[in-house]
Amino acid sequence: AQRVTQPEKLLSVFKGAPVELKCNYSYSGSPELFWYVQYSRQRLQLLLRHISRESIKGFTADLNKGETSFHLKKPFAQEEDSAMYYCARRYNNNDMRFGAGTRLTVKP
Amino acid sequence: NAGVTQTPKFQVLKTGQSMTLQCAQDMNHNSMYWYRQDPGMGLRLIYYSASEGTTDKGEVPNGYNVSRLNKREFSLRLESAAPSQTSVYFCASSAARDGELFFGEGSRLTVL
Repeated sequence: AQRVTQPEKLLSVFKGAPVELKCNYSYSGSPELFWYVQYSRQRLQLLLRHISRESIKGFTADLNKGETSFHLKKPFAQEEDSAMYYCARRYNNNDMRFGAGTRLTVKP
Repeated sequence: NAGVTQTPKFQVLKTGQSMTLQCAQDMNHNSMYWYRQDPGMGLRLIYYSASEGTTDKGEVPNGYNVSRLNKREFSLRLESAAPSQTSVYFCASSAARDGELFFGEGSRLTVL
């Protein structure tokens, strides 16, 4: 079955601490992976995609094919990073599937 | 720019009633999607339309029908609503090339 797994429903860290949100995917070919974020009272929006290997708002994500993972990392969390984060994978024909999401809370 | 617009924003139905959620995008995107968002379940794909004239089932299509009316519009219909369909529904669109999805604000549906 096509699957994107986010093992942590909730994650809480203090401001300034490193944060890692985990994402694993079921192996099948060459994955196209994304991280989306939903801030309070805002629309769900793209944070970053693996193919562009970019850093957005201090976040990075590295595709590890050996571990079938695409974890999202930030070295120093900020309070404004508190949000719901979704890992997503695009399959053939533009089918896009999301994980269950991780709610990140950054405490002052 | 409106982006993705979905209506209604809120709806309460009784079991067995029918309704249609409307979605329109003004970005000339080929692909459109309907998701439902439930606590602990994340976003689950109901149906999607890779291009005008095509629709495909996602993870949870049972109890729903869709219509890709034209390139701009993609509607989701509940023929006989059930309490299990209480959820927040999101419409999204995408230019197929880069895969970025643009989402609507969501529609909160309660089925009593």
